[in-house]
Amino acid sequence: QVQLQESGPGLVKPSETLSLTCTVSGGSVSSGHYYWSWIRQPPGKGLEWIGYIHYSGTTTYIPSLKSRLTISLDTSKNQFSLKLSSVTAADTAVYYCARASVSGSYHLAYWGQGTLVTVSS
Amino acid sequence: DIQMTQSPSSLSASVGDRVTITCRPSQTISNYLNWYQQKPGKAPQVLIYGASSLQSGVPSRFSGSGSGTDFTLTISSLQPEDFATYYCQQTYSIPWTFGQGTKVEIK
Repeated sequence: QVQLQESGPGLVKPSETLSLTCTVSGGSVSSGHYYWSWIRQPPGKGLEWIGYIHYSGTTTYIPSLKSRLTISLDTSKNQFSLKLSSVTAADTAVYYCARASVSGSYHLAYWGQGTLVTVSS
Repeated sequence: DIQMTQSPSSLSASVGDRVTITCRPSQTISNYLNWYQQKPGKAPQVLIYGASSLQSGVPSRFSGSGSGTDFTLTISSLQPEDFATYYCQQTYSIPWTFGQGTKVEIK
């Protein structure tokens, strides 16, 4: 059974960089069959897809965050990561990592439990 | 970006009721439409993918239909564990976008 687990600081100061890691078990980030994705949800609000990375190194980001966002892969640790720079209070959210298949409808079939990141001084 | 509009935003229903939620994208998305259920404090779980395919392990009372610009999620007989928020998502074009959610509450 595939499992994903987010980790990282729960509090980040404004203007600093938010860094999160997603550790994958029961599957390999080296598989070319999946997009390894990040989604966020501000408190009390809806879901926002942020971006994904493929084993090939291809990344795709939501345009509104593209200038501040980097998603990377560490195959040696079976992890993928998110870095969001110059954060503001608007980046406060629960951040989820998830896996989507590269074929079919790209649905997000496996999700981490989510981690709340608060941006505050 | 493709805007996803769900209706209603919330509804109250009783156990055993038939519930229908609609999702309308701002442009055609073929059948690249997925439905998720989210309970408070939990990650979303996919129910339906490709507009009408039932995810493995999801009860058969959930069904999806539609294509193009008009999609529906139906719960044939609402159960206590179905009270949650439901989201549609399009994966037809980047950025993938979600509807605003439909909260299903107990009447």
